[in-house]
Amino acid sequence: DAGVIQSPRHEVTEMGQEVTLRCKPISGHNSLFWYRQTMMRGLELLIYFNNNVPIDDSGMPEDRFSAKMPNASFSTLKIQPSEPRDSAVYFCASSLRLQGGVGANVLTFGAGSRLTVL
Amino acid sequence: EDQVTQSPEALRLQEGESSSLNCSYTVSGLRGLFWYRQDPGKGPEFLFTLYSAGEEKEKERLKATLTKKESFLHITAPKPEDSATYLCAVQALGYSTLTFGKGTMLLVSP
Repeated sequence: DAGVIQSPRHEVTEMGQEVTLRCKPISGHNSLFWYRQTMMRGLELLIYFNNNVPIDDSGMPEDRFSAKMPNASFSTLKIQPSEPRDSAVYFCASSLRLQGGVGANVLTFGAGSRLTVL
Repeated sequence: EDQVTQSPEALRLQEGESSSLNCSYTVSGLRGLFWYRQDPGKGPEFLFTLYSAGEEKEKERLKATLTKKESFLHITAPKPEDSATYLCAVQALGYSTLTFGKGTMLLVSP
């Protein structure tokens, strides 16, 4: 299994530009998570999908951020317009949740996308 | 609101010098407590899940323990390859998301 695949690995852009980050979860996993990691705040949950449906987007900072999951094998996180404070490492993670959501949820993370907004 | 606090923020050990990392947590009801390892430039890698107070799990030189308020990650006779950031996370009952601490950066010198 190739694991969770994220692209691009590194992105440098200028303030005001649109940024799109991509994620391919592990085949068979039905839950997908976007996290953001900074030195100051650590890992923060942005949004969580279950069976391609957004369940919890309370961590999305503001309307500049949007996420989609058009099918079970692909998700995007878009920032428009980008700002310097968006600079961080963005992680995608996936898991297999049993029906009813019982049990501990072991997340498998991708390698991350490092975003720098100048 | 779930909270996870890890200490120390950074720890430097000599090879073979055993120590412990602490994870204090506040959660309405605990479904699971997780330990992850993160190497520079990589995503967190799962190590353990603990479910209830008194539970222990081991993997090579690592042993994780759990009480009602905190978890410890004990590192016995560490080697330089154990150098990494160790992250603790909690999952509350009825929820699927994990709340992470900021991590402990461990450096083991030869």
